[in-house]
Amino acid sequence: AQSVTQLDSQVPVFEEAPVELRCNYSSSVSVYLFWYVQYPNQGLQLLLKYLSGSTLVKGINGFEAEFNKSQTSFHLRKPSVHISDTAEYFCAVSDRARDDKIIFGKGTRLHILP
Amino acid sequence: EAGVAQSPRYKIIEKRQSVAFWCNPISGHATLYWYQQILGQGPKLLIQFQNNGVVDDSQLPKDRFSAERLKGVDSTLKIQPAKLEDSAVYLCASSLTSGAPYEQYFGPGTRLTVT
Repeated sequence: AQSVTQLDSQVPVFEEAPVELRCNYSSSVSVYLFWYVQYPNQGLQLLLKYLSGSTLVKGINGFEAEFNKSQTSFHLRKPSVHISDTAEYFCAVSDRARDDKIIFGKGTRLHILP
Repeated sequence: EAGVAQSPRYKIIEKRQSVAFWCNPISGHATLYWYQQILGQGPKLLIQFQNNGVVDDSQLPKDRFSAERLKGVDSTLKIQPAKLEDSAVYLCASSLTSGAPYEQYFGPGTRLTVT
């Protein structure tokens, strides 16, 4: 079964600095990959998704992620963070060959420091 | 368009009591999901409906949890009796259809505390 590992439970970063949130998934079979953001007391919102094609995926709010099949990774990046980016970020994977169930990682809490 | 609606937003009950959550998906969305999100973890799928039929309930603790989606629109999730370990946020999501690729839209969740 698929699994997702988010290597950092919390990431502190200064405002306007770059950030990378790491995500690895368990299998190299064909997958769909997602990043979701959860602001305090809200549901999840899709940031970006990789379905096929270009390995560099651009999402909302200036975020982007790169699919690396050989390393089974899908790290999320932003060149300059803002205080409003404070949230929890979830990486998720769905196995193409099976059903459409999405498996979520445990999340990474992004702390923006002034 | 209106998003996924859930109620109540917060609920506190004692163990062994029962509780019910309600979800109204985005209009026209055929697929509805219930997730359990325990503090410090990612959401875990409990049950997936396609219209009013169950597609996947493999992770639903059926001895105490039940869910229905009558008429293929809104849905209720019930816990009876509740245990301490059921304390979590219960998220409802909907998507236009099942089958990837797709996008799930999430409601704000119901935070359940069992004391």
